[in-house]
Amino acid sequence: DVQLVQSGVEVKKPGESLKIACQGSGYNFNDNWIGWVRQMPGKGLEWMGIVYPDDSDSRYSLSFQGQVTFSADKSINTAYLEWESLQASDSGMYFCARVRGYCGVTSCPGEFDHWGQGTQVIVSS
Amino acid sequence: SYVLTQPPSLSLAAGQTAKITCGGDNIGSRSVHWYQQRPGQAPLLVVYDDSDRPSGIPERFSGSTSGNTATLTINRVEDADEADYYCQVWDRETVHRVFGGGTKLTVL
Repeated sequence: DVQLVQSGVEVKKPGESLKIACQGSGYNFNDNWIGWVRQMPGKGLEWMGIVYPDDSDSRYSLSFQGQVTFSADKSINTAYLEWESLQASDSGMYFCARVRGYCGVTSCPGEFDHWGQGTQVIVSS
Repeated sequence: SYVLTQPPSLSLAAGQTAKITCGGDNIGSRSVHWYQQRPGQAPLLVVYDDSDRPSGIPERFSGSTSGNTATLTINRVEDADEADYYCQVWDRETVHRVFGGGTKLTVL
């Protein structure tokens, strides 16, 4: 079975750095893009971008460009979402999800067919 | 940027049919995907490419698109269907995925 397992709850102070993980299993991890989605408390889903595990090629939503960094380590089937300097407004739930199908330079219409359980990030002084 | 509009909420009794709409400019020309998110859980894909169902999703769930509206239909609604539902498309102009604001389905 396809599974995406995310790292656990993180409690950080403003200005600290953070890297959360999403490990895939049950399929060839290098074959599918991984997306990241934010959900603020009580709010809807926001697309942050996607990363290709084979070479860490990344595409960012304009809303998150420059605020976060995606990466991947294909040797351990893991994708990462990283912040260099957290702000209180980064608090929320972060989900990774597998993209079904091919993504080209300007086209990536496939759905998120499998999701991680989410990582809660709390940023507070 | 491309905007998807969903009604914030929908309430109906168990056994009735729920129709959750998702409005967007010429949405019928795009592939629409639908996700269910129960409280405290990760989203779950329930319909993809407008009307296809992943394995394990009951036949009670179906999708359709026409013109500027996509619709997720849930027949014979059950208590377990109480959740938030989100539509999503790929916007080729901005090269972004777009989610609708979500619809909270309450089963009375």
